[in-house]
Amino acid sequence: DVLMTQTPVSLPVSLGGQVSISCRSSQSLVHSDGNTYLHWYLQKPGQSPQLLIYRVSNRFSGVPDRFSGSGSGTDFTLKISRVEPEDLGVYYCLQSTHFPWTFGGGTKLELK
Amino acid sequence: QVQLKESGPGLVQPSQTLSLTCTVSGFSLTSYDVHWVRQPPGKGLEWMGGIWGDGSTAYNSALKSRLSISRDTSKSQVFLKMNSLQTEDTAIYFCTRSGSSWGQGVMVTVSS
Repeated sequence: DVLMTQTPVSLPVSLGGQVSISCRSSQSLVHSDGNTYLHWYLQKPGQSPQLLIYRVSNRFSGVPDRFSGSGSGTDFTLKISRVEPEDLGVYYCLQSTHFPWTFGGGTKLELK
Repeated sequence: QVQLKESGPGLVQPSQTLSLTCTVSGFSLTSYDVHWVRQPPGKGLEWMGGIWGDGSTAYNSALKSRLSISRDTSKSQVFLKMNSLQTEDTAIYFCTRSGSSWGQGVMVTVSS
């Protein structure tokens, strides 16, 4: 199985600040079709995960441009600028290039 | 408007079989894949398996021997059946369309 390693586990932030979350995979996430199926989610307390970024860098419908994704191969980053209160929660990366699909362990974004 | 809703028993006895239903609306099961993802209390997300528009299925190898996913396209329903349940199967079970739209989840507790 592809191991997805997210860092940091906990990320204190001040409102209005900028943060980055790293997600590294144990093998390349480039699919044979040429796409890279690495996605980012936010799960707020008591809620279902919500898709933020799909295929590395594409913002999902309604996601503000404060969120951006980048990376390639095995190394990926989610950046959040001008953090707002509704951005707090746990962030997960997901790879769907290889079966079984695997999630990172999560990064909790919380107020300093 | 895409909607998914999970339903099933909240309590299952150890060694018994779990049966869950995901009822969808706003899209056709013959055009989109639907997956099951679970989350033990206070822990991360685990992809269990999915069923694609053509009816093909894929499962997490860790669960494959116990898990079955099927559907009834006429009723817009996707089913999960997992046998030999143990306490570690206690979790919130989500269904999701392609990872982009999610149900609210259903809590399943395995206990005698």
